[in-house]
Amino acid sequence: GIQVEQSPPDLILQEGANSTLRCNFSDSVNNLQWFHQNPWGQLINLFYIPSGTKQNGRLSATTVATERYSLLYISSSQTTDSGVYFCAVGPISNDYKLSFGAGTTVTVRA
Amino acid sequence: DVKVTQSSRYLVKRTGEKVFLECVQDMDHENMFWYRQDPGLGLRLIYFSYDVKMKEKGDIPEGYSVSREKKERFSLILESASTNQTSMYLCASSGHTTGVNQPQHFGDGTRLSIL
Repeated sequence: GIQVEQSPPDLILQEGANSTLRCNFSDSVNNLQWFHQNPWGQLINLFYIPSGTKQNGRLSATTVATERYSLLYISSSQTTDSGVYFCAVGPISNDYKLSFGAGTTVTVRA
Repeated sequence: DVKVTQSSRYLVKRTGEKVFLECVQDMDHENMFWYRQDPGLGLRLIYFSYDVKMKEKGDIPEGYSVSREKKERFSLILESASTNQTSMYLCASSGHTTGVNQPQHFGDGTRLSIL
């Protein structure tokens, strides 16, 4: 199956800092989504972004499908941004089936 | 807003029991999914359904079955629960227009312990 690698595995930020999370994937995809899992375990969909760039408030994401990577940008981080960020991809052959990366654990300190 | 509701937040069962986990979505979504999440292994797809009475195996279907009799409801069944099925179970749903997938929306999860 398709391999998904996220980096870095852990990130500690001071409140107000900016950061970039990366997702590399091993095959062409028709479906790429970013999620945030908060400390209570709830998974929230941040972006559906198989290609191009999107922005939502302090978060933005860019996917370069031809080079098989996606980036998630967090600007002016807040303590509520803490949690685990997952990238998930679906291959062209069966794009319902998302494969998740291992996640990046972000801790934002006040 | 999409609402995906899982019937229990926490559940404790005994080995050998038949266990039902229920999931309901209120957005008329075609697709519904069951995942499990384990430390160090991430989220793994158990089963998904793209229509009523239709289902496909995910990556780890062994020991599980599913039922989708109505569009809004997707049930995960552990036929004979075992301790290695202790995990966090997450249900998700998504819409689907021709050729375009839609974002998946998750329920709050059920933390299942098998004793």
